[in-house]
Amino acid sequence: GENVEQHPSTLSVQEGDSAVIKCTYSDSASNYFPWYKQELGKRPQLIIDIRSNVGEKKDQRIAVTLNKTAKHFSLHITETQPEDSAVYFCAAIVTNAGKSTFGDGTTLTVKP
Amino acid sequence: SQTIHQWPATLVQPVGSPLSLECTVEGTSNPNLYWYRQAAGRGLQLLFYSVGIGQISSEVPQNLSASRPQDRQFILSSKKLLLSDSGFYLCAWKGGGAERSPQHFGDGTRLSIL
Repeated sequence: GENVEQHPSTLSVQEGDSAVIKCTYSDSASNYFPWYKQELGKRPQLIIDIRSNVGEKKDQRIAVTLNKTAKHFSLHITETQPEDSAVYFCAAIVTNAGKSTFGDGTTLTVKP
Repeated sequence: SQTIHQWPATLVQPVGSPLSLECTVEGTSNPNLYWYRQAAGRGLQLLFYSVGIGQISSEVPQNLSASRPQDRQFILSSKKLLLSDSGFYLCAWKGGGAERSPQHFGDGTRLSIL
């Protein structure tokens, strides 16, 4: 089955710096890749997603890139702010299979 | 718009007691439904998913079970809880079929086993 590896597990940056989180997946049939942000004690919430026919997508300070050949995708956050501090999860989905595989999460801390 | 309801928000149960957590979705038809467990500071462990009424796939052998008696209702159960069942349980839904759409999570149930 699908396996998703996410790195790093923890990331600490200064406010205003950029943060990059990387995920690799194993199943070449995966065709949809969402990213979630989970604040302490809350539910994961979608922040950005990318489909397999797209190489890059951007939404204000957040961007995601996808390299299908290498089977990896990355989340980029620019001009980080303290409120960006949270756990971030990547996921790889084979939509016909009905099931998502999540990475283990990255705890991002943005220091003021 | 679609909404997902999950209850209760918190639950404290003794070891050996039964469990029933319920999740319902509104505003969509034939969704895929999911149950996840999250231990403190850890990732999302997929427990069960369902692509239709009465269709349940189990990902992890355990003393939990799931049922989908109606299209938009997903229930997580146990006959006898173990200490290791403690955690944050999340229900989620997404559009069914080949739709490339994200999962949407409920607010979760924090389960403590004493």
